[in-house]
Amino acid sequence: EAQVTQNPRYLITVTGKKLTVTCSQNMNHEYMSWYRQDPGLGLRQIYYSMNVEVTDKGDVPEGYKVSRKEKRNFPLILESPSPNQTSLYFCASSFTGTAAAFFGQGTRLTVV
Amino acid sequence: TQLLEQSPQFLSIQEGENLTVYCNSSSVFSSLQWYRQEPGEGPVLLVTVVTGGEVKKLKRLTFQFGDARKDSSLHITAAQPGDTGLYLCAGYTFGSGNTGKLIFGQGTTLQVKP
Repeated sequence: EAQVTQNPRYLITVTGKKLTVTCSQNMNHEYMSWYRQDPGLGLRQIYYSMNVEVTDKGDVPEGYKVSRKEKRNFPLILESPSPNQTSLYFCASSFTGTAAAFFGQGTRLTVV
Repeated sequence: TQLLEQSPQFLSIQEGENLTVYCNSSSVFSSLQWYRQEPGEGPVLLVTVVTGGEVKKLKRLTFQFGDARKDSSLHITAAQPGDTGLYLCAGYTFGSGNTGKLIFGQGTTLQVKP
């Protein structure tokens, strides 16, 4: 089954404690992105990757890191989480930069 | 800057009613997509419209892309409780092909009461 898998689904952490949210897709897609979804602000792109070892900033990259060492995986790293990073995070992948996007089920992160 | 404005933001109707959700922008989009998102889940693609003036039908849902490719609408005929959810329009601007960045509207929360 074609899917984008994120883990964990829910995470509560404390300020400053490094965390990683994993994302994996099984569709051999070139493009992968991370979005955060906040009430009243919609979904905003954090980082994107066009291919292995190629990543770049989206609209709201501050406080986040990513890596793309393998085509299928695109982890999101928060080196020192802060409460303003409390949000619902989605990983997405697409075959090209303008094709339909497939989204993971989301990770609800709370930073206290 | 919010490039895609969706309206209405909230809609509560009775089963069997018709409704239309609008997605407007001052920018031109190479394509527009409509997604539906249920609580606790990620957005799921309903349709992609690419050509100005294009109309696509998906059972009781009709999607239209404006002639100038700046706006789109979603019309649901005879809404059912199963249509309840968050509807999102999203588009790729010209030149976004290198980023894979979708510009999202803020969403329309639809509640269909039995």
